[in-house]
Amino acid sequence: AQSVTQPDIHITVSEGASLELRCNYSYGATPYLFWYVQSPGQGLQLLLKYFSGDTLVQGIKGFEAEFKRSQSSFNLRKPSVHWSDAAEYFCAAYNSGGSNYKLTFGKGTLLTVNP
Amino acid sequence: DTEVTQTPKHLVMGMTNKKSLKCEQHMGHRAMYWYKQKAKKPPELMFVYSYEKLSINESVPSRFSPECPNSSLLNLHLHALQPEDSALYLCASRQGLAGGNEQFFGPGTRLTVL
Repeated sequence: AQSVTQPDIHITVSEGASLELRCNYSYGATPYLFWYVQSPGQGLQLLLKYFSGDTLVQGIKGFEAEFKRSQSSFNLRKPSVHWSDAAEYFCAAYNSGGSNYKLTFGKGTLLTVNP
Repeated sequence: DTEVTQTPKHLVMGMTNKKSLKCEQHMGHRAMYWYKQKAKKPPELMFVYSYEKLSINESVPSRFSPECPNSSLLNLHLHALQPEDSALYLCASRQGLAGGNEQFFGPGTRLTVL
């Protein structure tokens, strides 16, 4: 079955420290991959997406993600975290063939930022 | 304009009430979605509309009734809800149901059922 796994439920980092949020996928073929961020009580905002090509993808708010086919991973990174980055982060994927109405989400990683 | 709007922002209703949630987008997207999200969980798909026709119903109870009056507007009619239906209801839109085009989410309606 197609799935997206975020191994870390909760991560705490200090402001100014680097960040990496992990995401693994299980699909027959490379899916379309996304990272979304959700602040409390808000909707989801797209940070970045990967379809094909360059495996290092730049997004908004200083985030980037690296696609690694050999590890079935699409990890999100930021070199220096700001207090405003505290939020829930969701990795998500569509299958890449035919009609793909369903966006499969990971369970999310809650990011806490310490001052 | 890459915005999806949802009204109301908050809604409190009794189990015998009838209410509606509204979602609007002006990006020319032809696919629109309703999701339900409980605290600390990812969004859970409820309905998908494509070209104003209901394409997918993820076995949602009939007390939730979606409607797509035109390509820009999506409603969710609520009737005889249960307290466990309290959640954040998210609307999203997308260019179409193929390819890697992303979903744009609205800010959600926080629903409380008493």
